[in-house]
Amino acid sequence: GEDVEQSLFLSVREGDSSVINCTYTDSSSTYLYWYKQEPGAGLQLLTYIFSNMDMKQDQRLTVLLNKKDKHLSLRIADTQTGDSAIYFCAESMDAGKSTFGDGTTLTVKP
Amino acid sequence: EAQVTQNPRYLITVTGKKLTVTCSQNMNHEYMSWYRQDPGLGLRQIYYSMNVEVTDKGDVPEGYKVSRKEKRNFPLILESPSPNQTSLYFCASSFGTPITDTQYFGPGTRLTVL
Repeated sequence: GEDVEQSLFLSVREGDSSVINCTYTDSSSTYLYWYKQEPGAGLQLLTYIFSNMDMKQDQRLTVLLNKKDKHLSLRIADTQTGDSAIYFCAESMDAGKSTFGDGTTLTVKP
Repeated sequence: EAQVTQNPRYLITVTGKKLTVTCSQNMNHEYMSWYRQDPGLGLRQIYYSMNVEVTDKGDVPEGYKVSRKEKRNFPLILESPSPNQTSLYFCASSFGTPITDTQYFGPGTRLTVL
């Protein structure tokens, strides 16, 4: 089966960059996503990348995809305390099915 | 306002007592899905529906049923809940499948089965 793996915790200082990493096993993934979950809330889509892209930038967010290594990363520039949340990596390949990682808890210290 | 709503948001019940968690979206989305979130296990897909009257099993369908009689609603049914179904449940919808479109998530339903 397919697996999506992430490190569980990341702590950074306000103003620094955060890099959250994700690895996946299914090379046929078509879309890869990053979601953000704030305490007590649902999941909010942050960004996504097509599998035929290497990089996507959206304001403070940069997504890098290394298909050879099946590695996806999310970089948050100038991290703020409001960025503290759980970040989920997810992939979709089969029509209708999505697989999520366990989530990385990002803590931003002032 | 475009949204996915779930009810109830919180529920405590006892083993064996049938319950239904409703999910509704007002975006005319064709695709809807249910996930459960458990510590250390991330999000796991329970069931999904590509359109009205079309449902398929996700990764963890055991103990759950769904129906899709109309486009906007996708209820999750637990016929005989057990304590291992204590979890945080999310409903999601998208216009197309996750391959071609991104999913919008509801706020979650925290279920405790005693």
